[in-house]
Amino acid sequence: KQEVTQIPAALSVPEGENLVLNCSFTDSAIYNLQWFRQDPGKGLTSLLLIQSSQREQTSGRLNASLDKSSGRSTLYIAASQPGDSATYLCAVTLANAGGTSYGKLTFGQGTILTVHP
Amino acid sequence: EAQVTQNPRYLITVTGKKLTVTCSQNMNHEYMSWYRQDPGLGLRQIYYSMNVEVTDKGDVPEGYKVSRKEKRNFPLILESPSPNQTSLYFCASKAGGFGYGYTFGSGTRLTVV
Repeated sequence: KQEVTQIPAALSVPEGENLVLNCSFTDSAIYNLQWFRQDPGKGLTSLLLIQSSQREQTSGRLNASLDKSSGRSTLYIAASQPGDSATYLCAVTLANAGGTSYGKLTFGQGTILTVHP
Repeated sequence: EAQVTQNPRYLITVTGKKLTVTCSQNMNHEYMSWYRQDPGLGLRQIYYSMNVEVTDKGDVPEGYKVSRKEKRNFPLILESPSPNQTSLYFCASKAGGFGYGYTFGSGTRLTVV
C-alpha cells in the first residue's frame, strides 16, 4: 500500500526566505506526482504535476523535483511571501501493471506553511 | 471556465436522512473521484470512476454510494448518514494520460447531527 509522508508538518519562516518542502513515498511505481495548495476551509489548487518520466517542473517561484528511485519529491519556493501561507499537499498516483493508472491519488498529511512579514 | 462544481457547499442534516451531494465537471474528463478530509486523517478516497458506468471503491467506501451515468456527473449518495460521516468532501476530475493532474471542486462541508 502506497504511503506518502511530508516533512516538516509545519514551517514558519520570515518573508523573503527560500524554502523546501519534502515528500516521500513508499512505492516507486508511480504514474505521476502532484503538489497542491490548500487555504483554510477551501479546496485544493494544483500547483505542479510531475510525470513519472520527468525530473522536475517549474512554475514561477515554484520548482518541484522528483526522484523516483529514492521515493522523494521536493517543492522549492523561492523568495517566500505572506500570500504563500497555506497547507501544501503532495499526492501520488500509482501506475498499474499495464503502465496506466486507476487514477487514485494518495495524499500526504501536508505541510502547514506560515510566512510572516 | 473549466471547473468542477459541487453542491451544496454546506449541509447540515440529521442521522438517517438520505442525501446526495452533486458533482459536475465541464472538461470532458474520464476520471472522477470523491475524497473526504478529516483532521488528523488527511484526504482519503471514497470512490472513483474511470469512465461512464465504471466505478470502484476507494479506501473508505462504507456508507456511501456513487453512480456515473453521464461523463460529466458523479454524485455521492449517503443512504443513511451517521455522525461519523461529518466531514469536508471533495470531488475531483482528470483527463486520462500521464500529463494530466486532478482538478478539485470547492468542497462540501457536511454535518450530520
